[in-house]
Amino acid sequence: AQSVTQPDIHITVSEGASLELRCNYSYGATPYLFWYVQSPGQGLQLLLKYFSGDTLVQGIKGFEAEFKRSQSSFNLRKPSVHWSDAAEYFCAVGEDYKLSFGAGTTVTVRA
Amino acid sequence: DTGVSQDPRHKITKRGQNVTFRCDPISEHNRLYWYRQTLGQGPEFLTYFQNEAQLEKSRLLSDRFSAERPKGSFSTLEIQRTEQGDSAMYLCASSSGTDTQYFGPGTRLTVL
Repeated sequence: AQSVTQPDIHITVSEGASLELRCNYSYGATPYLFWYVQSPGQGLQLLLKYFSGDTLVQGIKGFEAEFKRSQSSFNLRKPSVHWSDAAEYFCAVGEDYKLSFGAGTTVTVRA
Repeated sequence: DTGVSQDPRHKITKRGQNVTFRCDPISEHNRLYWYRQTLGQGPEFLTYFQNEAQLEKSRLLSDRFSAERPKGSFSTLEIQRTEQGDSAMYLCASSSGTDTQYFGPGTRLTVL
């Protein structure tokens, strides 16, 4: 069965600084990988996804993620964080009908 | 494209009562999914439909839970005899086949 680990429960970053969120997955085949963002009390918004091809994936809001098969990782990055990026971020691995999510990383942005 | 909508957004109920939630998917999407999210955790898969057929149910979905998608459009999730452990955010998502799942805003259930 697939599983996802997000090692960092909470990250605090200064506005304008870079951000990297870690995600490790366990899956037997080539994974479908996703990053979603959730603001308080809201549903999940898709930031980006990887199905195949180029291992560096660009998403919305200036986010990117890199798939590294050798490390079973799909880390999310943003070069310069804005205060509006404060939210909870979820990495997920998908198979045919089901997404399996990590426990999430909460990002706090300080002025 | 109006997105996935869910109703109600919040529900407070007393233990033992029945509750029903509704999800309206993106109109052209043939797949609809239900997930449950508890505080501090990621969403967990409950069940999914392809058109009107319910094709998979998680073991998380006890006998008190039932989901329907009668005409392959909207779906309902009913919880009978609610328990405090049912308190959670219930998220609905839809997709076109195995493509990306798009989520609604969720229904937050509080069982007193």
